[in-house]
Amino acid sequence: SQTIHQWPATLVQPVGSPLSLECTVEGTSNPNLYWYRQAAGRGLQLLFYSVGIGQISSEVPQNLSASRPQDRQFILSSKKLLLSDSGFYLCAWSVMKGNQPQHFGDGTRLSIL
Amino acid sequence: GENVEQHPSTLSVQEGDSAVIKCTYSDSASNYFPWYKQELGKRPQLIIDIRSNVGEKKDQRIAVTLNKTAKHFSLHITETQPEDSAVYFCAASDNDMRFGAGTRLTVKP
Repeated sequence: SQTIHQWPATLVQPVGSPLSLECTVEGTSNPNLYWYRQAAGRGLQLLFYSVGIGQISSEVPQNLSASRPQDRQFILSSKKLLLSDSGFYLCAWSVMKGNQPQHFGDGTRLSIL
Repeated sequence: GENVEQHPSTLSVQEGDSAVIKCTYSDSASNYFPWYKQELGKRPQLIIDIRSNVGEKKDQRIAVTLNKTAKHFSLHITETQPEDSAVYFCAASDNDMRFGAGTRLTVKP
């Protein structure tokens, strides 16, 4: 069966520090991968998605970036974190980009001080 | 692009009552409609989904209905229990999946 792993589970970072969140999927090949951010008590904001290695699409302009160095690895990064980057970051995968369920990881709770 | 609106934003019911959450979508090409349940601090989990060639789908106490003409779909939970308390998200998808803003359901024992 397919599983998705995200780490770390929680992270506290100072403003201006770099960020690297990692997501890996097991049990499937060539998944579509997604990064979402969820502010406290709010909905899911799609940040990036990837349909293949090295293919990244950005949904909103921001100081975050994403990379997919391997088929089942998706990384969310920032060079300098802002206070507004605080939130719950969720990675998800699906078999196809549309018309298929997305399956979420356990998320990373990021607090910026 | 697709726009999904979800109502109500909060819903409080007594244990044993039914709960209904409604969503509307804008893109008539959308043909897949999943519902997710997110407990506090946890991941969203798929609880039921429906495709556009079906008008209704049921799984035990949960059912979803779809009206393609009106472009709206609804989640129905019967005989609610305290463990149903969570935030529920609807979504609509053609090539892109868009989520509603969520409904916080509280079931009072």
